[in-house]
Formats: sequence, structure tokens, C-alpha cells
Amino acid sequence: ELKVEQNPLFLSMQEGKNYTIYCNYSTTSDRLYWYRQDPGKSLESLFVLLSNGAVKQEGRLMASLDTKARLSTLHITAAVHDLSATYFCAVDPRDDKIIFGKGTRLHILP
Amino acid sequence: DAGVIQSPRHEVTEMGQEVTLRCKPISGHDYLFWYRQTMMRGLELLIYFNNNVPIDDSGMPEDRFSAKMPNASFSTLKIQPSEPRDSAVYFCASSLVVNYGYTFGSGTRLTVV
Repeated sequence: ELKVEQNPLFLSMQEGKNYTIYCNYSTTSDRLYWYRQDPGKSLESLFVLLSNGAVKQEGRLMASLDTKARLSTLHITAAVHDLSATYFCAVDPRDDKIIFGKGTRLHILP
Repeated sequence: DAGVIQSPRHEVTEMGQEVTLRCKPISGHDYLFWYRQTMMRGLELLIYFNNNVPIDDSGMPEDRFSAKMPNASFSTLKIQPSEPRDSAVYFCASSLVVNYGYTFGSGTRLTVV
């Protein structure tokens, strides 16, 4: 059974700092997704990573995928308050529904 | 495209009452998913459909929950009778294929008192 683990689950950080959220998964997969959820809102697709070594960037967020290590990272550069949200990774096992991690609740302090 | 449309946005009901949540997927999307989100359990997949046929309902918590998809543009999730522990946000999502690019609806926040 595919398991997806995110860490940390909670993160409080200062504006202007850099940090990385990690997403580990238990079986072979070469497709992974990152979603953002604001409080009381729905999940919004951020990144779609479709191969080993894939790197996507949007503003201060950059996501990467290492399928050999079964690891994806979401890196935040010079954090700003607007990035406060919960971030989910979701792994695609190819032949079945995607599996979501528990989410990382990010709080950025001014 | 209007995206995935869910109704109602909020529902407050008394324990024992029947609750019906509704979802209209994106036109052309063959897959429809129902998720439940709570603080304690996170995001849980309840059931998903392919071409209106239920494929995996292993996440449905118990017989009080049922889901239908009578046509490609409409699905319902019914809870009968409802209990306070069913209080959660219920999301519907749709996609072209089972494992790519889910689009989520705005969710229904259910409170059972």
C-alpha cells in the first residue's frame, strides 16, 4: 500500500527566511502533485511533477522530484505572509487513485 | 469552465436527519471523487467513480453513507442518519484520468448537532 509522509506537519517561520517541506513516499512513482489550501478554502493545484528530476517554480515556491529517493521537496524562498497555508503533496501510483499526504500547515510570521 | 460545483456550501442539521451533498464535475471529466476532511483524520477518500460507475468505495465509513452518480454531470453523497461525528468538510473532485490533475470543488461544510 502506498504511503505518503510529509514533514514537518506544522511549521512556523519568519518572513524573509528560506525553508523546505519534504514529501516521502513508499513505492515507485514518477508523478507527484503539490496542492495549496488556504483556511476554509478548497485545494488548489500548485505543481505537477511528471518525471525524475522535474523541477517547477512559481514565484517564491520551487518543487522538485527525485524518484530514486522517493522524495519531493517544496522549497520556500524569502517567505512572505501570503504563503501561509496548508500544503499537500499527492503521489500517483500510476494505476490507481492518487494518495495525499497529511499536509504541512505553514504559518509565516511578519 | 465553472469548475467543480458543490452544493450546499454549508449545511447544519440535527442528528438523525438525512443529509444530501451534491456535486457537478467539470464537463468531460470521467472521474469523480468524494473526500472528507477533518482536523483529526486529514483528507480521506470516500469513494470514486469512473464513467458514473463506482470503482472504489473502501473509504466509505459505514452503511449510513451512500453515493450515486446517475449521469456524467451529477453526483450525490448521502448520509442517513447523520451523526455528530460526521461533521466535516466534504470535497468533490474530478479529473480526466484517475491519476492526474484533480480539480476540487469549494466543499460543503457539514455540521451535525
